[in-house]
Amino acid sequence: GENVEQHPSTLSVQEGDSAVIKCTYSDSASNYFPWYKQELGKRPQLIIDIRSNVGEKKDQRIAVTLNKTAKHFSLHITETQPEDSAVYFCAASKGFGNEKLTFGTGTRLTIIP
Amino acid sequence: SAVISQKPSRDICQRGTSLTIQCQVDSQVTMMFWYRQQPGQSLTLIATANQGSEATYESGFVIDKFPISRPNLTFSTLTVSNMSPEDSSIYLCSATLAVQETQYFGPGTRLLVL
Repeated sequence: GENVEQHPSTLSVQEGDSAVIKCTYSDSASNYFPWYKQELGKRPQLIIDIRSNVGEKKDQRIAVTLNKTAKHFSLHITETQPEDSAVYFCAASKGFGNEKLTFGTGTRLTIIP
Repeated sequence: SAVISQKPSRDICQRGTSLTIQCQVDSQVTMMFWYRQQPGQSLTLIATANQGSEATYESGFVIDKFPISRPNLTFSTLTVSNMSPEDSSIYLCSATLAVQETQYFGPGTRLLVL
């Protein structure tokens, strides 16, 4: 089955700097890669996703890049703010949102004011 | 997005008992799933809830322990049977909206088994 690895497990950045979280997947049939943000005690919230026919997607301060050949994808957060502090999970699926998601192990991001 | 609700939000149960968790979505959905999240850990899929038929379970999860129902498109239940302290966890349902192809999560049910 699919295996998703995520790095780093923890990340601290100064407010205003950029943060990058990387994930690799094992199944070349995977075609959908969402990112979820989970604040303490809350549900995971979808922040951005990318499909395999696209190499990059941006939404304001958040961007995701996908390298299908290398089977890795990354989350980029620019101009970080204290409210970006949370745990971020990457995931992979073979059928967009209609198929089960395999999650990475999570990255705890801390923004230092 | 959609409103996904779960009941109960939390519970404390005695070992050997069972708890049924409900998940309701306010929009038309195609798929519903149940995940487990241990404290400080990632999400692990328990099963895919299939409407009108038996759920599809992931390796390590069995129907006798985690029976799942999905009587209609927008409602599903997960039962945690014969509970032990190892079942203490957060249980989350997710749903894929019919008009989108993205999964949204319910608020979770925090279960503590004594």
